[in-house]
Amino acid sequence: KNEVEQSPQNLTAQEGEFITINCSYSVGISALHWLQQHPGGGIVSLFMLSSGKKKHGRLIATINIQEKHSSLHITASHPRDSAVYICAARKGDNTDKLIFGTGTRLQVFP
Amino acid sequence: SQTIHQWPATLVQPVGSPLSLECTVEGTSNPNLYWYRQAAGRGLQLLFYSVGIGQISSEVPQNLSASRPQDRQFILSSKKLLLSDSGFYLCAWSVWGGISYEQFFGPGTRLTVL
Repeated sequence: KNEVEQSPQNLTAQEGEFITINCSYSVGISALHWLQQHPGGGIVSLFMLSSGKKKHGRLIATINIQEKHSSLHITASHPRDSAVYICAARKGDNTDKLIFGTGTRLQVFP
Repeated sequence: SQTIHQWPATLVQPVGSPLSLECTVEGTSNPNLYWYRQAAGRGLQLLFYSVGIGQISSEVPQNLSASRPQDRQFILSSKKLLLSDSGFYLCAWSVWGGISYEQFFGPGTRLTVL
């Protein structure tokens, strides 16, 4: 069993829909990252959070430390949101190495 | 501002040939540097990380090696490539900043071994 699990693996949506991607982890962490990988392969960091909730534009990330669960929400989804979304956990052992989920492939159709 | 460069962007190499991928970072000092590989249909896997010049930690046994000859230069190498070395290779950097930090990724190198 992977230490970081994401669901769903694939997600399709119509433009305008509200999107939720889930991430669960089984290790103690000091921070959790949400990353976006575009079709060309480039990766962009969306959020880094260790508690509560963060919002940037139409993107919202939440984390529940007790339940070891994080969610990434996209409001009013748009075709340009189509990408692979990856969660990564930074272990709470004073190293800064990340453990990655396998990603969620999102396709938003017009 | 900080930037990270990787080259080449794509590479096609025959089995048994050597490999050298280079990553350089600008605009920061003494970064932590990382090499990741993403095999087709799989998640990112940490291959190597470095906290300073000449300091390399390997995460998984493999056909690859890494070196850090300068503070902001990280090189991934192989003497003889295998088919299983095909994948998308990403370099990343971070700077320790208290209890939280970010990792910044390069544009990646897509390697195909034939």
